[in-house]
Amino acid sequence: DGGITQSPKYLFRKEGQNVTLSCEQNLNHDAMYWYRQDPGQGLRLIYYSQIVNDFQKGDIAEGYSVSREKKESFPLTVTSAQKNPTAFYLCASRKLANGLILGSPLHFGNGTRLTVT
Amino acid sequence: GQQVMQIPQYQHVQEGEDFTTYCNSSTTLSNIQWYKQRPGGHPVFLIQLVKSGEVKKQKRLTFQFGEAKKNSSLHITATQTTDVGTYFCAAFHGSSNTGKLIFGQGTTLQVKP
Repeated sequence: DGGITQSPKYLFRKEGQNVTLSCEQNLNHDAMYWYRQDPGQGLRLIYYSQIVNDFQKGDIAEGYSVSREKKESFPLTVTSAQKNPTAFYLCASRKLANGLILGSPLHFGNGTRLTVT
Repeated sequence: GQQVMQIPQYQHVQEGEDFTTYCNSSTTLSNIQWYKQRPGGHPVFLIQLVKSGEVKKQKRLTFQFGEAKKNSSLHITATQTTDVGTYFCAAFHGSSNTGKLIFGQGTTLQVKP
């Protein structure tokens, strides 16, 4: 079955350590996204990528880094510079339709809950 | 940047009552999408609205897009416990084919049996 896989489901780290969250999709989707979800704040966009080897900052990119070396993979690194990293992180992807105005829907992974102490 | 405001943040209803969540933008939207996130789950796409004044129905759910394409609503008739979750609206910043998708803050629905 096609889908988006995020691993691990739960992740615990000590303050000051970098940590990388994995996101893999086999949907042949072009664009991939990382969102952060905190209680009462909805989904906030961290980074997104529309093609391989290219990505753009979202609204809360500070303290995070990404790479898009393969179409299927979009890992997110939470660096020690991120002041409040404990959160639920969601990866998503979607197909881009050439020449069409309509936006395609996002398909989400199951998320990674990161706790930093 | 473009923001999508969603109200209310929380709604508690008795099973069988109706529920509505509203999304508002200060700028004209090209389209708007709605998602549902069950407790402990991830958001799942429900529907997309594109045309001014568009109304779409999915069983007990009715979605509307305002005439000016600056607001949208989701109405659930006769809620059931299976409707529990957080409902998000989302809109594209810039071109819908290349731009980023911005989410509202979400409305969390609790249904008392």
